[in-house]
Amino acid sequence: EAGVAQSPRYKIIEKRQSVAFWCNPISGHATLYWYQQILGQGPKLLIQFQNNGVVDDSQLPKDRFSAERLKGVDSTLKIQPAKLEDSAVYLCASSSRDRGYGYEQYFGPGTRLTVT
Amino acid sequence: AQSVTQLGSHVSVSEGALVLLRCNYSSSVPPYLFWYVQYPNQGLQLLLKYTTGATLVKGINGFEAEFKKSETSFHLTKPSAHMSDAAEYFCAVSGPGGSYIPTFGRGTSLIVHP
Repeated sequence: EAGVAQSPRYKIIEKRQSVAFWCNPISGHATLYWYQQILGQGPKLLIQFQNNGVVDDSQLPKDRFSAERLKGVDSTLKIQPAKLEDSAVYLCASSSRDRGYGYEQYFGPGTRLTVT
Repeated sequence: AQSVTQLGSHVSVSEGALVLLRCNYSSSVPPYLFWYVQYPNQGLQLLLKYTTGATLVKGINGFEAEFKKSETSFHLTKPSAHMSDAAEYFCAVSGPGGSYIPTFGRGTSLIVHP
């Protein structure tokens, strides 16, 4: 079974530029998550999708971050414009159940973003 | 709101020694608890999880954890450390009493000396 795929693996941009990350979850997984992991901290949930609908985006900075999941499969996360504090690893995860109660999340390798 | 506290940002052990990584949770009702491992430049991988039933949970790579409700703890242990265990370890909580989306601790970096 193929794992969660993410691209690019690394990205360096200047502040005020825009950037997009792509995620392909495990086949058949209805739930998809985007996390932000700042150096020295645990992952923080940005947004959760159930199929192509948003379940929770309460911690997504909507003035600059956006995400979509067309057709309930692949997802993209965009930052526009980027700030220095957006430097982090962006993790995508998927799971096969509707809710995260005790259901294992499978994580991709992440995209390391550096904003200069 | 649910939360977890991981005691010690870094833990250093010798190869072959006992590994003990501490995690305490805050929840109004018994939660679901997880330990994840993150190797350099990789995503998180589930080591083990507690939902219901037996309080001693065995995971991959020889790790285990015990859910102790009276101490609100879910410490991760391994009898004998191996060099390949060097990584970042995250404790997470979810489930009844709060958000069903896991909330992660800040992580503990395990350093293994030869």
